[in-house]
Amino acid sequence: GENVEQHPSTLSVQEGDSAVIKCTYSDSASNYFPWYKQELGKRPQLIIDIRSNVGEKKDQRIAVTLNKTAKHFSLHITETQPEDSAVYFCAARGTGGGNKLTFGTGTQLKVEL
Amino acid sequence: NAGVMQNPRHLVRRRGQEARLRCSPMKGHSHVYWYRQLPEEGLKFMVYLQKENIIDESGMPKERFSAEFPKEGPSILRIQQVVRGDSAAYFCASSPSRNRDSTEAFFGQGTRLTVV
Repeated sequence: GENVEQHPSTLSVQEGDSAVIKCTYSDSASNYFPWYKQELGKRPQLIIDIRSNVGEKKDQRIAVTLNKTAKHFSLHITETQPEDSAVYFCAARGTGGGNKLTFGTGTQLKVEL
Repeated sequence: NAGVMQNPRHLVRRRGQEARLRCSPMKGHSHVYWYRQLPEEGLKFMVYLQKENIIDESGMPKERFSAEFPKEGPSILRIQQVVRGDSAAYFCASSPSRNRDSTEAFFGQGTRLTVV
């Protein structure tokens, strides 16, 4: 089955700096890679996603890049703000059918003033 | 259009009791996924169901756990004879179809199970 690894597990940045979170996946047939933001005690919320036929996608301060050859994808947050502080999860949809997702272990992002 | 609804939001059970967690998918969605999140960990897939069918239960523990999604009513995740290690947040997600080109899975608010 699919296996997703995520790094780093914690990330602390100064407000206004950029943050980068990286993930690798194992199933070369995976074709959909969402990123979720989870605040304490709340549900995961989709912030951006990318499909395997696209190399990069951007939405305001958030961007995601995908390297299919190397089987890794990254989340980039620019001009970080305190409200960006949360746990971020990457995920991959493998070959199991439907929308079954395999998640990374999460990155605790802290944006300091 | 209401989102994915889960209830209860919080559930406390004593060791040995049964826990029933409910999930009503978004309107028009016929596929439901259950995930478990242990404290300070990521989400782990448990089971994928369509109406009256279990499609993939590869993440379900072999004993004490079962899931159903009847023709009428919500999907139910049932945990029998709960133990302290079952304490976790259980999230349900739904999507419109099995098609791999379907859009995102939408998550409910989760049920936080505490076993005392």
